[in-house]
Amino acid sequence: DGGITQSPKYLFRKEGQNVTLSCEQNLNHDAMYWYRQDPGQGLRLIYYSQIVNDFQKGDIAEGYSVSREKKESFPLTVTSAQKNPTAFYLCASREATNEKLFFGSGTQLSVL
Amino acid sequence: KNEVEQSPQNLTAQEGEFITINCSYSVGISALHWLQQHPGGGIVSLFMLSSGKKKHGRLIATINIQEKHSSLHITASHPRDSAVYICAVTRNYGGSQGNLIFGKGTKLSVKP
Repeated sequence: DGGITQSPKYLFRKEGQNVTLSCEQNLNHDAMYWYRQDPGQGLRLIYYSQIVNDFQKGDIAEGYSVSREKKESFPLTVTSAQKNPTAFYLCASREATNEKLFFGSGTQLSVL
Repeated sequence: KNEVEQSPQNLTAQEGEFITINCSYSVGISALHWLQQHPGGGIVSLFMLSSGKKKHGRLIATINIQEKHSSLHITASHPRDSAVYICAVTRNYGGSQGNLIFGKGTKLSVKP
């Protein structure tokens, strides 16, 4: 079945550590997105990519980095510069701008 | 002021009741999305619409472009409808063309 797979489901980060969240899709979608969800707030865009080897900063990109070396994969690294990383992270993809979004099941990141 | 506002924030209903969730937006859009997020965190796209009305089973979504308003209706509600319902709009201008703005969500609880 086609879909988006995020891993791990739960992740713990030590102070000063970089961690990487995985997002893989087999839907053949060009566009992929990373969102952050905090309690009581709407999803906020961290980074997005509309084509392989290209990505753009979203509204809250500071402290995060991404890569898009393959169409299927869009990993997100939460760097030590992100001082408040505890949140639920969601990856999404879609075929084109006005197409339906498909979401992964999310990763809950917490700080030890 | 948020660009996408949902009401109510929380909603409790008895099984069988007709439910309405509202979404108002203040930006130019090319599409509006209704999403459903279950307690595990995963998000499913329910509807994407740019005009008129769409129906899927017991769910109905409407949009009024002139009034910048959309509603999600659930007929004959059931406890399995309990979830957070999120409204999102696709912006149609500027450098963020194609990107989404999300409402904060409406938490629905349907009691048996």
